Amino acid sequence: DGGITQSPKYLFRKEGQNVTLSCEQNLNHDAMYWYRQDPGQGLRLIYYSQIVNDFQKGDIAEGYSVSREKKESFPLTVTSAQKNPTAFYLCASTRGAVGGRYNEQFFGPGTRLTVL
Amino acid sequence: AQKVTQAQTEISVVEKEDVTLDCVYETRDTTYYLFWYKQPPSGELVFLIRRNSFDEQNEISGRYSWNFQKSTSSFNFTITASQVVDSAVYFCALSEGPGNTPLVFGKGTRLSVIA
Repeated sequence: DGGITQSPKYLFRKEGQNVTLSCEQNLNHDAMYWYRQDPGQGLRLIYYSQIVNDFQKGDIAEGYSVSREKKESFPLTVTSAQKNPTAFYLCASTRGAVGGRYNEQFFGPGTRLTVL
Repeated sequence: AQKVTQAQTEISVVEKEDVTLDCVYETRDTTYYLFWYKQPPSGELVFLIRRNSFDEQNEISGRYSWNFQKSTSSFNFTITASQVVDSAVYFCALSEGPGNTPLVFGKGTRLSVIA
């Protein structure tokens, strides 16, 4: 079955630690995205990547880092510089522009990060 | 700048009632795309519909229908004869231009359908 997997489902971090959230897709999608969701808030874009070895900052990139070494993988590292990292993190991917049409983003199940 | 406003934070209805979720957007582009997603308690976002700015035709899919009006910059979502399984948070989102442009989301509307 094709889809997007995120791991772990729940993650606990001590203050001052870096943690990495995994996102893998087997949909052969070109573009991948990381969003953050806080209670009562919509999703806010952290980083996105349209092709391998290239990525762009979103609205709230400070304190986060990413890499895109493989088409199917887009891990997100939450660094100690992120002041308030407790949130729900969602990864998404899209096939991209095919025939000039926009394709919807598909989402993974999310990782809930809690800072202790 | 892009912006999506979902003014209704929470809505509660009794099962079998109809309910409309409002979405108002702002964009300076003439080419843009609008989306609705459903987020059940499990947390994963489920895609419901995509509409491009050149197509104002309303769409119906089973109990779901969408009303897109460029004149009022609105893309409202109606659930007819609501069911308990419709309880979720619903997000409206916007993307300017074709391609892989990231989505801008509204803050969502939490719908509770009571049996």
